[in-house]
Amino acid sequence: QVQLQQSGPRLVRPSETLSLTCAISGDSVSINSATWNWIRQSPSGGLEWLGRTYYRSKWYNDYAESVRSRTTINPDTSKNQFSLQLNSVTPDDTALYYCAKKGWSDGFDIWGQGTMVTVSS
Amino acid sequence: SYELTQPLSVSVALGQTARITCEGNNIGDKNVHWYQQRPGQAPVLVIYRDTNRPSGIPERFSGSNSGNTATLTISRAQAGDEADYFCQVWHSSTIFGGGTKLTVL
Repeated sequence: QVQLQQSGPRLVRPSETLSLTCAISGDSVSINSATWNWIRQSPSGGLEWLGRTYYRSKWYNDYAESVRSRTTINPDTSKNQFSLQLNSVTPDDTALYYCAKKGWSDGFDIWGQGTMVTVSS
Repeated sequence: SYELTQPLSVSVALGQTARITCEGNNIGDKNVHWYQQRPGQAPVLVIYRDTNRPSGIPERFSGSNSGNTATLTISRAQAGDEADYFCQVWHSSTIFGGGTKLTVL
């Protein structure tokens, strides 16, 4: 079965870059029937979609307007994983970050375990 | 921007039926997905494209969508159904509702 395993630092200093990785097992990041997403959950509990990467004969990325200017999501086909980079972080970026797969159902049917990232000096 | 509105909380007696609503402008024209999130766990997809259950989700979970309201219905509520529930649509971007805390009394 498909599994997503997240990794990355849990503490990031203000103005620095948050970097997380999501390793895929049981599926391929290059599959043309899925998208690979990052979603975060604020301390108050709300979910916010950050962006996605996906392959349809070539690679595409989409980002939420709220973070577009400082977000990059990249696939790594050699390691079958994808990553999130969020630049110039502030304490408002403190959240539980999830990677998730959107498959044929059109819903997010596979989620990573979540990484709690705190932005603090 | 498009918004989805859910009640903050819903309570249901053990064994009764719980209904969680998700309101949005002409949401009936969109595909709605529902997620269950138990404390300390990642969300789980329980309904996709309005009415469909993924493999492993009990038949007690059902969904509907029409007009300006989508509804997640949980029949014969159990203690294990106590969780936060989120609706989600695509409208130029992925949009989540604010979430509803279901309490089983």
